[in-house]
Amino acid sequence: DAGVIQSPRHEVTEMGQEVTLRCKPISGHDYLFWYRQTMMRGLELLIYFNNNVPIDDSGMPEDRFSAKMPNASFSTLKIQPSEPRDSAVYFCASSWGGGNYNEQFFGPGTRLTVL
Amino acid sequence: KQEVTQIPAALSVPEGENLVLNCSFTDSAIYNLQWFRQDPGKGLTSLLLIQSSQREQTSGRLNASLDKSSGRSTLYIAASQPGDSATYLCAQIKAAGNKLTFGGGTRVLVKP
Repeated sequence: DAGVIQSPRHEVTEMGQEVTLRCKPISGHDYLFWYRQTMMRGLELLIYFNNNVPIDDSGMPEDRFSAKMPNASFSTLKIQPSEPRDSAVYFCASSWGGGNYNEQFFGPGTRLTVL
Repeated sequence: KQEVTQIPAALSVPEGENLVLNCSFTDSAIYNLQWFRQDPGKGLTSLLLIQSSQREQTSGRLNASLDKSSGRSTLYIAASQPGDSATYLCAQIKAAGNKLTFGGGTRVLVKP
């Protein structure tokens, strides 16, 4: 398996522009997570899905952030409009909820810089 | 209040020494605890996952223990090597949900 795939790996944009981050989870996994990592706040959960349905979006900073999962193999995280404080590394992770494991596997991340 | 804490934030040891990394959590309603490694500019690699019913897990030179009563997990790395230099993060999955709550990480440097 190729693991969790994220694109793009790096994104540089200007304040006010729309940014779309993409994620393909591991095949067969039914949970998908979006995390954000910054120096100040470390790793924080933004939102997660189970069977394509959003379960907990309490970590989404504000209305400028939105996430979708139209099918089991694809998810997007969109920021519109982007702001410099959104600069961070965004990780997607997936897991299988069966059994007692729930081990999460992370993608390589998207490094976002908003100028 | 930090739910998951890792102290120290940074650690430097000579090659060959055993590493002991600490993780404390405040919520005893732990479901699983997962240890990760992160190299600079890279993603997270899962090292070990300990279920709440387990006391420890081992993989090669790595051994992780879990003590729910004291709210602690420890990651031991035997005979450290320069290639072990990285940031190590622990994360808790609570019984009520599936999301990971991360500690701040311990940055490890193994000197040759």
